[in-house]
Amino acid sequence: DVKVTQSSRYLVKRTGEKVFLECVQDMDHENMFWYRQDPGLGLRLIYFSYDVKMKEKGDIPEGYSVSREKKERFSLILESASTNQTSMYLCASSAPGTGGSLPQHFGDGTRLSIL
Amino acid sequence: QKEVEQNSGPLSVPEGAIASLNCTYSDRGSQSFFWYRQYSGKSPELIMFIYSNGDKEDGRFTAQLNKASQYVSLLIRDSQPSDSATYLCAVTIASGGSYIPTFGRGTSLIVHP
Repeated sequence: DVKVTQSSRYLVKRTGEKVFLECVQDMDHENMFWYRQDPGLGLRLIYFSYDVKMKEKGDIPEGYSVSREKKERFSLILESASTNQTSMYLCASSAPGTGGSLPQHFGDGTRLSIL
Repeated sequence: QKEVEQNSGPLSVPEGAIASLNCTYSDRGSQSFFWYRQYSGKSPELIMFIYSNGDKEDGRFTAQLNKASQYVSLLIRDSQPSDSATYLCAVTIASGGSYIPTFGRGTSLIVHP
């Protein structure tokens, strides 16, 4: 069965900390995505990647960076955490192709609280 | 701003009825259209995708795409209480030479016995 694994289900950090969210997929997918989901705002794309060492900004990249050193791993980094980054973070992956620009499999999510 | 629009609902239908969920999008160049189901407290789950005009059927689900009118619909036949969830539409939106995967805010569906 396909699997997208996020390193933590719940995470509590303090403002100003550097926060790492890790995501690993076992499907050999080229495409990986990071979204955040907030009530009333839906899913918003932070960054995505179509290949190793490649990244593209989504709709809300400010305050975030990403790293994709290996095909199976896509990391989201909050450079200096702020309270407005408290959210549910979802990682996803997909295979290339016409529909590959859209996520096919999601991880379980990381609920991040910044105090 | 290029967008994907969905009625937030809730859409309430009786068990056994057809639930019709609609999504409009602003980019005429969009090429891929996905529907996801998201149960409360869970991650989205891909249920249908469509690329060409017309209908695509998969079990009780039918996706309908009309590129001229820029809308995509999801029909759920013989709705069951277990179909109660939020349904998300996602579309690829052209931006700066790339296609950005963009989600609508979702429609809440309630199927009552």
